[in-house]
Amino acid sequence: QSVLTQPPSVSGAPGQRVTISCTGSSSNIGAGYDVHWYLQLPGTAPKLLIYGNTNRPSGVPDRFSGSKSGTSASLAIIGLQAEDEADYYCQSFDISLSGSLFGGGTKVTVL
Amino acid sequence: EVQLLESGGDLVQPGGSLRLSCAASGFTFSSYAMSWVRQAPGKGLEWVSAITGSSGSTYYADSVKGRFTISRDNSKNTLYLQMNSLRAEDTAVYYCAKEFHTTGSWDYWGQGTLVTVSS
Repeated sequence: QSVLTQPPSVSGAPGQRVTISCTGSSSNIGAGYDVHWYLQLPGTAPKLLIYGNTNRPSGVPDRFSGSKSGTSASLAIIGLQAEDEADYYCQSFDISLSGSLFGGGTKVTVL
Repeated sequence: EVQLLESGGDLVQPGGSLRLSCAASGFTFSSYAMSWVRQAPGKGLEWVSAITGSSGSTYYADSVKGRFTISRDNSKNTLYLQMNSLRAEDTAVYYCAKEFHTTGSWDYWGQGTLVTVSS
């Protein structure tokens, strides 16, 4: 069981804003470790969307934004598009596990 | 262009062993930490193991500690994962991934190789 908790699914109409939460604890996000976000299309490898809580790698549209506060983080998709339909994962480091960990993943559906 | 190409996935019986390889190109391999991440069929991502660029340090998820060994050959630009005492729950697609500088995130991933543990 993941110690980073994400909602199993979120949905929105094209053009809408959706947010995905990632709730951790004092041994990971709350301990100050960065949160990163990935997008995964079916049958493909994950793609880095956000690193270091708020930063977008080159080539990632500014429709995607990340934030972090306390023991939680969020990914926002502004202006939802059909191609955003995918699974999204948060990732951080956990000091008690002495390793990285992922959230359980959130499936985004574009209505 | 950065490329990561995994190989070695196969069908193996419980208790068996397998070695995965990840051939890297397009970047200075020895300068970057690398990881293995797996995904069981229909499930989420699970970090498995990591190794620093110099191979000075290795890290493992509790689920594989004592059974899996990560290593790298910087002269061959290749990452390895030796998997012993395999269990049914190790069945997954295994991805190798390159760390994005020292951010703790991974910016390049291979296409994955499927390991199936079954009798």
